[in-house]
Amino acid sequence: GNSVTQMEGPVTLSEEAFLTINCTYTATGYPSLFWYVQYPGEGLQLLLKATKADDKGSNKGFEATYRKETTSFHLEKGSVQVSDSAVYFCALRRGIGGGGNKLTFGTGTQLKVEL
Amino acid sequence: EAGVTQFPSHSVIEKGQTVTLRCDPISGHDNLYWYRRVMGKEIKFLLHFVKESKQDESGMPNNRFLAERTGGTYSTLKVQPAELEDSGVYFCASSQERGRTDTQYFGPGTRLTVL
Repeated sequence: GNSVTQMEGPVTLSEEAFLTINCTYTATGYPSLFWYVQYPGEGLQLLLKATKADDKGSNKGFEATYRKETTSFHLEKGSVQVSDSAVYFCALRRGIGGGGNKLTFGTGTQLKVEL
Repeated sequence: EAGVTQFPSHSVIEKGQTVTLRCDPISGHDNLYWYRRVMGKEIKFLLHFVKESKQDESGMPNNRFLAERTGGTYSTLKVQPAELEDSGVYFCASSQERGRTDTQYFGPGTRLTVL
């Protein structure tokens, strides 16, 4: 079945540090890949997505590239801010004809950015 | 435009009691999903409605869980009787379309604690 593996947190960084949160997946076919973020006290928000191999999703300074050869979708940001403190979830959705629209999530990685 | 709303935000009940969670999707969204995050683990899919019909309920853990979507608008998720392992955060999401262009918008979640 489908699965998503994320690096365990919590991750604590100083402001302006470089961020990488690793995400690898297992799925048949050609899934779409997502990063969701949950800020304290709020719901999940879509951060970025990629629907095919070699696509790069980007938003708010965050980037992730769909790497089919390594089955990865690592999240990166060049310079984090305190306001980026949140829980980040990697997720996949099977492609058309392959199991509907349900999302399969990783366990989430908590990021804390300090001054 | 209002987002996905969920009620209540928190619920604390005793084992054996009944609890009903409610989700109001974004207006016009035919797709409605329920997910659950237990004990800081991954977020898991429970079920998917298309309008008032259950499209996929493969994630429902057992027959103590009953989901309805009357008239294809809001949805309720009833747990009866609640067990300790049902504690967690229940998320609802809605989307307008299916397929690769679909984006699921999440509500803030209902935190359920079963004592």
